[in-house]
Amino acid sequence: EDQVTQSPEALRLQEGESSSLNCSYTVSGLRGLFWYRQDPGKGPEFLFTLYSAGEEKEKERLKATLTKKESFLHITAPKPEDSATYLCAANQIPIKAAGNKLTFGGGTRVLVKP
Amino acid sequence: EAEVAQSPRYKITEKSQAVAFWCDPISGHATLYWYRQILGQGPELLVQFQDESVVDDSQLPKDRFSAERLKGVDSTLKIQPAELGDSAMYLCASGTVEAFFGQGTRLTVV
Repeated sequence: EDQVTQSPEALRLQEGESSSLNCSYTVSGLRGLFWYRQDPGKGPEFLFTLYSAGEEKEKERLKATLTKKESFLHITAPKPEDSATYLCAANQIPIKAAGNKLTFGGGTRVLVKP
Repeated sequence: EAEVAQSPRYKITEKSQAVAFWCDPISGHATLYWYRQILGQGPELLVQFQDESVVDDSQLPKDRFSAERLKGVDSTLKIQPAELGDSAMYLCASGTVEAFFGQGTRLTVV
């Protein structure tokens, strides 16, 4: 069964305290791995797409990396405005249909305290 | 910047009533998704369209939920009758490869 698991479920950081979020996946036909940021009461905001093992993408204090079984989102020197839920999603080639199939993890809630 | 538009943003309805959500995807996006997100969990796919055709509705509770995307542009998701357990955020997304989300509709069933 296709599965995407994120850990930890919640993370409390002091401002400036770097950390990493994990997204492990067991899916067939992986086409890409997406990271999103979601603020309370809002829809997910697209951050990155990673296509192949070894690939890295950066945006401000965020860096995403991909291996064959997991992806990491590194937050370097976080600020309070980085507080949000971070979601990863595996994009697969669907078995019977056209387009893409997205399977989301449960998310990691990050709280950065000043 | 193009965005996925959803309405309403918030909806409170009584159980057993009908409720409908509307989504206007980013222009040119053939794939449209409806997701349901329960507080504290990740989004779960309800239905996926490719143009006007449903390509995945395996997780859609078809006894009470229906979705359509006439002319392959905007889409409507309907619940009839609503149940207390339907309270959640309903998210619409569109894309070609990456999926871009709207702001969602927060449904509360009382």
